[in-house]
Amino acid sequence: DIQMTQSPSSVSASVGDRVTITCRASRGITRWLAWYQQKPGTAPRLLIYEASSLQSGVPSRFSGSGSGTHFTLTINSLQPEDSATYYCQQADNYPWTFGPGTKVEIK
Amino acid sequence: QVRLVESGGGVVQPGGSLRLSCAASGFSFTDYNMHWVRQAPGKGLEWVAFIRNSGGDKFYADSVKGRFTISRDTSNNTLYLQMNSLRAEDAAVYHCVKDKISVPGNYFDYWGRGTLVTVSS
Repeated sequence: DIQMTQSPSSVSASVGDRVTITCRASRGITRWLAWYQQKPGTAPRLLIYEASSLQSGVPSRFSGSGSGTHFTLTINSLQPEDSATYYCQQADNYPWTFGPGTKVEIK
Repeated sequence: QVRLVESGGGVVQPGGSLRLSCAASGFSFTDYNMHWVRQAPGKGLEWVAFIRNSGGDKFYADSVKGRFTISRDTSNNTLYLQMNSLRAEDAAVYHCVKDKISVPGNYFDYWGRGTLVTVSS
């Protein structure tokens, strides 16, 4: 199975800041990676697929990059509504696996 | 719009069974692969099971293989998860999830709100 790791596990930033979250896969997954946002008590929401493609309806301040084993999610100009936990997921191969999550808090 | 509504969760004793259902609407159910993904209280996301749009291929996480069965009924646009021999570690919110399918790779583009399964004696 492909293991996914994320760093940091949590981050606290101010409104307007740029936040970067890193995700690593235990083996190369080309660009088959997704990012999800989950707010407490709600279902996850797909933000990014194929490492850098923005899902319809997602604000353009969210962007993704990377390939192989190293990926990043960047939130430009952090907004109060971005307070959530973010998960990466490898979409390359069964069994599909998620990272442990990164909690983003607003200072 | 796409709507996925789960039901069937509840409290069950260890070793017991439950059948979860997911009513799908707002898209052509027969065109899309579907998944179940679960989240234990306060924990992360764990993919559980997959069924191809044709119903022909089914995959399971090792943690549930041999105990859980995924199925779909295209006559009423419903996805199911039959869960047998339940264990304490199966306690979680179970989400019904639609596969994006329009691109290579398996991405989860729509999620239901989930149904809570509690395993306790």
